Amino acid sequence: GIQVEQSPPDLILQEGANSTLRCNFSDSVNNLQWFHQNPWGQLINLFYIPSGTKQNGRLSATTVATERYSLLYISSSQTTDSGVYFCAVIITSGTYKYIFGTGTRLKVLA
Amino acid sequence: DSGVTQTPKHLITATGQRVTLRCSPRSGDLSVYWYQQSLDQGLQFLIQYYNGEERAKGNILERFSAQQFPDLHSELNLSSLELGDSALYFCASSPLEGVEAFFGQGTRLTVV
Repeated sequence: GIQVEQSPPDLILQEGANSTLRCNFSDSVNNLQWFHQNPWGQLINLFYIPSGTKQNGRLSATTVATERYSLLYISSSQTTDSGVYFCAVIITSGTYKYIFGTGTRLKVLA
Repeated sequence: DSGVTQTPKHLITATGQRVTLRCSPRSGDLSVYWYQQSLDQGLQFLIQYYNGEERAKGNILERFSAQQFPDLHSELNLSSLELGDSALYFCASSPLEGVEAFFGQGTRLTVV
C-alpha cells in the first residue's frame, strides 16, 4: 500500500523561528490535507491542497503532486503552534479514504 | 468548531463491555469516516460510509461494527472490549467522497 512519510519526526524551535515540514508519498494522489493536532487532541484543518500553493497567515503549503511531496511552512512560530502536524492523502487508484502520515511533533519554546 | 459532533467526549468502561460512539456530520455532508488513534500513534482508518452505504473498510476488528443512518448520523459499536482498544476515536465528514474532510473532537475511550 501507499507509504506516507513525514519529516522530521520531531522538531523543537524557539518562538519566532521558521520551519519547514515535509510529507512524501509513494503513490499518485488525488487529494492532500494538512492537519494540526493540538495538545488537547483536536484535529484542525490547515490546508486542503491537492496541488499548488496556498497561504493562510503565518502558514503556507505547497504540493508538487508530480514529484509526490508536500511542504508545510510555519513562519514566526508561536507556542500555540505546538502539537503534531499530519498530512493525509487520498490515492488516485483506490477508495476515498484519507491515509495519514507518520506526523511531525513540534514543540515551540517561549 | 468543525461542525462535526461526537458523543460522548470521554468514556471509561470495563473489559468485555460494549459501547456505542455517535457522530453527527456537518450539515449536508454525505460521507462519514471513522479513525482510531492509539496513544502516541498515528490515525488508523477504520471504515467509511457514503449516504448510508459502506464504501471502504480498513483494519477494523470483527468486534467493531458501524452504520450510517438515514439522517446521516453514524454510530461505531465496539464490543468485547480489551485494554488495547483504549484510544481516541475520530469521526470525520465531507460533502462528497474524496474531498476536504473535517474532524470531530473525538471520543476518548479508556478500557479498564
